[in-house]
Amino acid sequence: QLQLQESGPGLVKPSETLSLTCTVSGGSISSSSYYWGWIRQPPGKGLEWIGSIYYSGSTYYNPSLKSRVTISVDTSKNQFSLKLSSVTAADTAVYYCARSVSRITIFGVVIISYFDYWGQGTLVTVSS
Amino acid sequence: QSALTQPASVSGSPGQSITISCTGTSSDVGGYNYVSWYQQHPGKAPKLMIYDVSNRPSGVSNRFSGSKSGNTASLTISGLQAEDEADYYCSSYTSSSTLGFGGGTKLTVL
Repeated sequence: QLQLQESGPGLVKPSETLSLTCTVSGGSISSSSYYWGWIRQPPGKGLEWIGSIYYSGSTYYNPSLKSRVTISVDTSKNQFSLKLSSVTAADTAVYYCARSVSRITIFGVVIISYFDYWGQGTLVTVSS
Repeated sequence: QSALTQPASVSGSPGQSITISCTGTSSDVGGYNYVSWYQQHPGKAPKLMIYDVSNRPSGVSNRFSGSKSGNTASLTISGLQAEDEADYYCSSYTSSSTLGFGGGTKLTVL
């Protein structure tokens, strides 16, 4: 059974960089047809897709966060990571990592679709 | 502001059916058959209930069904049960290989 587990600091100071890692177990992060993504949820609010990465390193980001986000992958450790720079209180949220099924169209366009496995989530608070 | 529009809340009595709508545009819901639905209980991670508009993952009750017409997708839950009380989110692939979520709908079982 595939499992994902988020890890990282639960408290980050304003203007600093939020860093989280997702460790995948029970399966290989190098499997084809899957992208690995980050989703966040501010307290009492809805879900927001942050971005996704393929094991090769190909990435797609939410345009609203793109300037501050970096997602990377370490296949040797079966992990992928999130860095969000210049954080403010608005970045306080539960951060989830998840696996998404992807397809490629005949035109070579990557379709990142649904998330079938999720981590339990980790709360990150931005505060001085 | 969410990319997709959902009603903030819906309610129904046990045994009844309810439908939650998810309205987007021709650049997301209307343009692709890549709509998914998630159930989230308080303090828990979201759970995939429907993918590719109308497909159910293994283990999800057949009381849950999905459909789409134009720019609006819908999740229908039949035979409502107390355990169905949760937040529900829709999601859709959008152009440029991005993903959008709806704002979420709180389902109350009366």
